Amino acid sequence: QKEVEQDPGPLSVPEGAIVSLNCTYSNSAFQYFMWYRQYSRKGPELLMYTYSSGNKEDGRFTAQVDKSSKYISLFIRDSQPSDSATYLCAMTANSGGYQKVTFGIGTKLQVIP
Amino acid sequence: EPEVTQTPSHQVTQMGQEVILRCVPISNHLYFYWYRQILGQKVEFLVSFYNNEISEKSEIFDDQFSVERPDGSNFTLKIRSTKLEDSAMYFCASRLTGTANTEAFFGQGTRLTVV
Repeated sequence: QKEVEQDPGPLSVPEGAIVSLNCTYSNSAFQYFMWYRQYSRKGPELLMYTYSSGNKEDGRFTAQVDKSSKYISLFIRDSQPSDSATYLCAMTANSGGYQKVTFGIGTKLQVIP
Repeated sequence: EPEVTQTPSHQVTQMGQEVILRCVPISNHLYFYWYRQILGQKVEFLVSFYNNEISEKSEIFDDQFSVERPDGSNFTLKIRSTKLEDSAMYFCASRLTGTANTEAFFGQGTRLTVV
């Protein structure tokens, strides 16, 4: 079983739609969860960073963590063509040390005007 | 806004040649990382570096790879004898502290093409 599972898509939605992106993970040591946005041939850009189970909202973005189910989600409201990118879930363990980031493969999102 | 800077943006090299990828982390950060992303695959951890030594490395980071912080600002990744399968985007990242509740900031990447 992969440490982090993420559907690569592609996911196409019309402008204004609500987008739901999801990841599951198997390692209980993961305690900090992130969503990165990556445009083609660019570096990952941090969007959201969460620790606790529950929801965290930032503008049109909501990150949701369910540690009991080992499931995280990112919701994008009122999606825009500029949201078209690959969205990477990522996580780190709270085990001390140097905290490497483990990534999902990324979901490619296309928002159609 | 401070950022991680990587050079060059694209490097083409012949198989068997040595390459050095360069990174300038955010100035007050203490923890440094290299990741790579083969086209169509996920971003993978290569190595972490703190206090002038490697703190953790993945199975990908074999004897062909080395990292160095030659001065107070640069952080380099050297591949001694490149192979075709080393072709990938290489990302440098830095973090202020080593605890998991601090963000890792990524550079824009160096695209390495081995021919």
